[in-house]
Order: sequence, then structure tokens, then C-alpha cells
Amino acid sequence: AQSVAQPEDQVNVAEGNPLTVKCTYSVSGNPYLFWYVQYPNRGLQFLLKYITGDNLVKGSYGFEAEFNKSQTSFHLKKPSALVSDSALYFCAVRDSAAGNKLTFGGGTRVLVKP
Amino acid sequence: NAGVTQTPKFRVLKTGQSMTLLCAQDMNHEYMYWYRQDPGMGLRLIHYSVGEGTTAKGEVPDGYNVSRLKKQNFLLGLESAAPSQTSVYFCASSLLRGDQETQYFGPGTRLLVL
Repeated sequence: AQSVAQPEDQVNVAEGNPLTVKCTYSVSGNPYLFWYVQYPNRGLQFLLKYITGDNLVKGSYGFEAEFNKSQTSFHLKKPSALVSDSALYFCAVRDSAAGNKLTFGGGTRVLVKP
Repeated sequence: NAGVTQTPKFRVLKTGQSMTLLCAQDMNHEYMYWYRQDPGMGLRLIHYSVGEGTTAKGEVPDGYNVSRLKKQNFLLGLESAAPSQTSVYFCASSLLRGDQETQYFGPGTRLLVL
């Protein structure tokens, strides 16, 4: 069965510093990986996805993520965090061998302090 | 385009009462999904639909029913609400069947069952 783990419940970072949100996954087929962000009282917004090709994926709002097959990871990164990046971030995976079911991690809350 | 909309935004029910949550999308998407979001558990798939007139069970379908009579609408019903169904419910849609497709989310419905 496919699964996703986000090992950190919360990440605190100072504005202007690099931001990393960790995600590891487990699938039996090929992974299709997604990052979503949720602002307070809002639905999830798509940030980026990895399907195939370059391991470094660039997405919205200056975010990028690196797919690492050997470590089964897909960490989200931003070189310089903004206060407005404070939100709840979800990693999700779809297993190519398991139809179109999307499995979400538990979420990581990011707090960027001025 | 309004994207994915959900009604109502918030509802309080007593145990045993019934209600229907409505999801509508104006993007001509084939696939629609209902998730529930609980703290620390990410999003869990309740039911989904691969097209008008079809529905399928997700990860946590018990206590819920769904219908997709029109392509643009996906209804989630609670026949006899229980406190364990207190949650935030999100609807999502995607254009085509495929492991690569991005899901677009509505703003959510917050449900409290007393």
C-alpha cells in the first residue's frame, strides 16, 4: 500500500532564511508526487508535482522540490522564506500501480517569523 | 471560472440528523472526490467518482453516501450523523483519469456533530 510521511509537525524559520519541508513516501510502482499548501480557512492549493524527468521540480511562489528515488524522498524547499509562506503544507503520492488514489501525508505547519 | 465550490461552509448537526453537502465544479472535470481532514491525519478519501452516474468507495466510506447525477455536481450525504464525523470536508476535481492529473480543491465545509 502507498503511504506518505511528513516527519515534522511544525517547522519554524526566520524570514529570509531557507525553508525545507520533508516528505518521504512508499509505493510499489512508480511514484507521482505532489505538494499542496493550505492557508487558514481555505482549501488546498496545488504547488508542484513530479511525474518524470528532472529530479528538481519548480513550482508556484518560488517553491521547488527535489525527487530522490534512492531515499524515497520529495522534500519541498524555498531559498528565502516569507512571512506569507506561513501555512500548512501537504505532501501527496499516487502509486502508478494503485489506480488514481491520492494519499496525503499528515501535514507540516510552517511558521515564518519576521 | 469559480473552480470548485462547496455549500454550506459551516454546519452544526445533532447526532442522528442527516444532511447533504454539495460540491460543484465548472471546469468540465470528469473526476470528483470527497475527502475529510482531521488534525494530524492529512486528508482521507471518502468516496470518488470517475464520471457522471458512477461512484466508488475510498479509504473511509462508512457512514457516507454519494451521488453524481450531473457531471458538475458531487453530493455527499450523511444519513445519521455521529460525533466521529465532526471534521472539515473537502471536495476536489480533476480533468481526466490518469496518475498525473492535478486535483483542484474547494474551500471546505466545516461540520460539527454534537
